[in-house]
Amino acid sequence: QVQLQESGPGLVKASQTLSLTCFVSGASISSGTHYWSWLRQPAGKGLEWIGRIYTSGVTNYNPSLRGRVTVSADMSKNQFSLELTSVTAADAAMYFCARDGPGYYFEYWGRGTLVTVSP
Amino acid sequence: QSALTQPASVSGSPGQSITISCTGSSSDIGGHDYVSWYQQHPGKAPKLIIYEVSNRPSGVSNRFSGSKSADTASLTISGLQTEDEADYYCFSYSSGITYVVFGGGTKLTVL
Repeated sequence: QVQLQESGPGLVKASQTLSLTCFVSGASISSGTHYWSWLRQPAGKGLEWIGRIYTSGVTNYNPSLRGRVTVSADMSKNQFSLELTSVTAADAAMYFCARDGPGYYFEYWGRGTLVTVSP
Repeated sequence: QSALTQPASVSGSPGQSITISCTGSSSDIGGHDYVSWYQQHPGKAPKLIIYEVSNRPSGVSNRFSGSKSADTASLTISGLQTEDEADYYCFSYSSGITYVVFGGGTKLTVL
């Protein structure tokens, strides 16, 4: 059973960097068969895809966030991470990590972690 | 503004069928079969219920079905049950600049 668990500070100051980690169990992120993604959902709003990483280190990012976002992976710890710089109130959201299916869809999700941005 | 357009809400009675539409463009829904649907109950993570237009993951009820015509994808739920009350989101790969796109979500109320 593939399980994902997000971890990170729930409160970030505006203009600073948001850093989250997704711990994966039941699957190896180094297996080379899936992408691993980050998504977010502001309170009461819809979902937004942030970016993803493949085993080889290839990354894809949402153009609206490009320049502020970095997704990286630590194969030895079977985890991948998100960094979002220069955060504003608009970045406050529930952040989810997910494993992509073989195509463009999100097969397994973490429970999410809430990030609040303070002034 | 979401790139894919869904109705804000739909409703139905137990046992009935409902359909949720998701309209995009030739860059996304109309140009690819990478349409997926997600169910999200309040306070929970989204759950994949349909992928690649009409495929159901293992364990998802066959009351959920998906289809596509031109630039519009549809999710049909038959034999509505109270536990189907949730938000539903469509998602598609896009060959446009956005790369992938979500719908704004549809709130299903089971009356």
